[in-house]
Amino acid sequence: DTGVSQDPRHKITKRGQNVTFRCDPISEHNRLYWYRQTLGQGPEFLTYFQNEAQLEKSRLLSDRFSAERPKGSFSTLEIQRTEQGDSAMYLCASSTWDTRTPYGYTFGSGTRLTVV
Amino acid sequence: GENVEQHPSTLSVQEGDSAVIKCTYSDSASNYFPWYKQELGKRPQLIIDIRSNVGEKKDQRIAVTLNKTAKHFSLHITETQPEDSAVYFCAASGGSNYKLTFGKGTLLTVNP
Repeated sequence: DTGVSQDPRHKITKRGQNVTFRCDPISEHNRLYWYRQTLGQGPEFLTYFQNEAQLEKSRLLSDRFSAERPKGSFSTLEIQRTEQGDSAMYLCASSTWDTRTPYGYTFGSGTRLTVV
Repeated sequence: GENVEQHPSTLSVQEGDSAVIKCTYSDSASNYFPWYKQELGKRPQLIIDIRSNVGEKKDQRIAVTLNKTAKHFSLHITETQPEDSAVYFCAASGGSNYKLTFGKGTLLTVNP
């Protein structure tokens, strides 16, 4: 499978616990994005990486959230001290460039987080 | 920042009819406008996109038009089929980071 892979697909956790999600982008894509989608809404941007550098973080990304992309390959998104409001689908996407616009912007299947 | 408005929020058509979904954006620097189809519980899938140097793009039954002056773009689906039923999202992107700003989505139902 040459698409964007996310793991796990589903995660149920108790409030206050820490969780970590993983995203494996399409191998030739140098840009990786994290989005959050709640029921009935469009995805909302959280953060993005160009290679290993994290270049922008949304104000939605509180101090409890941290993302990494070591060596510019896979990425992890960690949420510390989870709250019920963190329950959502966390989507990863990757893209490359073509004439200064994104090309092949592809989403993974997401990780659905439920905080109980 | 960018703001994308999408209308209508729900759309019900008969099989074979056309469907049109419209979006407006606020940031004149945006230059990439993709449309995604999302079925229940699945990933958003890119169905068509348009860049700001093009006014219209067509792919079989799907077309997108862009009016940069008015800052709006539309998705047109002709000869709709029941399998077109899904939530459709428009998005806009521009600047150095190319993050996508999404509309709130349109639930399209195609009745057989």
